Amino acid sequence: AQSVAQPEDQVNVAEGNPLTVKCTYSVSGNPYLFWYVQYPNRGLQFLLKYITGDNLVKGSYGFEAEFNKSQTSFHLKKPSALVSDSALYFCAVRLDAGNNRKLIWGLGTSLAVNP
Amino acid sequence: GAVVSQHPSWVICKSGTSVKIECRSLDFQATTMFWYRQFPKQSLMLMATSNEGSKATYEQGVEKDKFLINHASLTLSTLTVTSAHPEDSSFYICSAPRNIGEQFFGPGTRLTVL
Repeated sequence: AQSVAQPEDQVNVAEGNPLTVKCTYSVSGNPYLFWYVQYPNRGLQFLLKYITGDNLVKGSYGFEAEFNKSQTSFHLKKPSALVSDSALYFCAVRLDAGNNRKLIWGLGTSLAVNP
Repeated sequence: GAVVSQHPSWVICKSGTSVKIECRSLDFQATTMFWYRQFPKQSLMLMATSNEGSKATYEQGVEKDKFLINHASLTLSTLTVTSAHPEDSSFYICSAPRNIGEQFFGPGTRLTVL
């Protein structure tokens, strides 16, 4: 069965330190991978996506993610965390086949950046 | 970026009444829209896929007669929660995909059923 796992419910990091939010997936076929962020009292926002090409994808707000096919992972990273990065982060995957654009979602990881 | 709006942003209703939530894509056409439900500090639960010009596709366990979806045009989908009960209280979010899988989300509707 297709699935996305975010193994950490919460990640805590000090401001200025690098951050990683983990995501692994299990799908058949070639996945399209996404990261979204939900700030408190705001709608979800698209951060970045991997479709094909370079395994390292750069997105909004200085975030990047690396697609690792052998480890079936798509971890989100940022070299230097900001307090304003504190939010709920969701990893999602879509199969590349057909017209079904439904996304499979991870359970989310709450990121807390401490000043 | 693309903009998706939802109306209302919050609603309080009495048990047994029906509530309609609108989702609009403001600057692009969306033949498909998705309706999600989100509980506090929890992930998104996909409820149904709204298809313009055809019936919605509901996820397993979602009552189609309770959550009526109508995709009236290429820019509007509505979700009607019929005969609402307190357990229907939740945060309802719509999204519309554009390009390859990238989805644009509405700001959500907070429903409270008394």
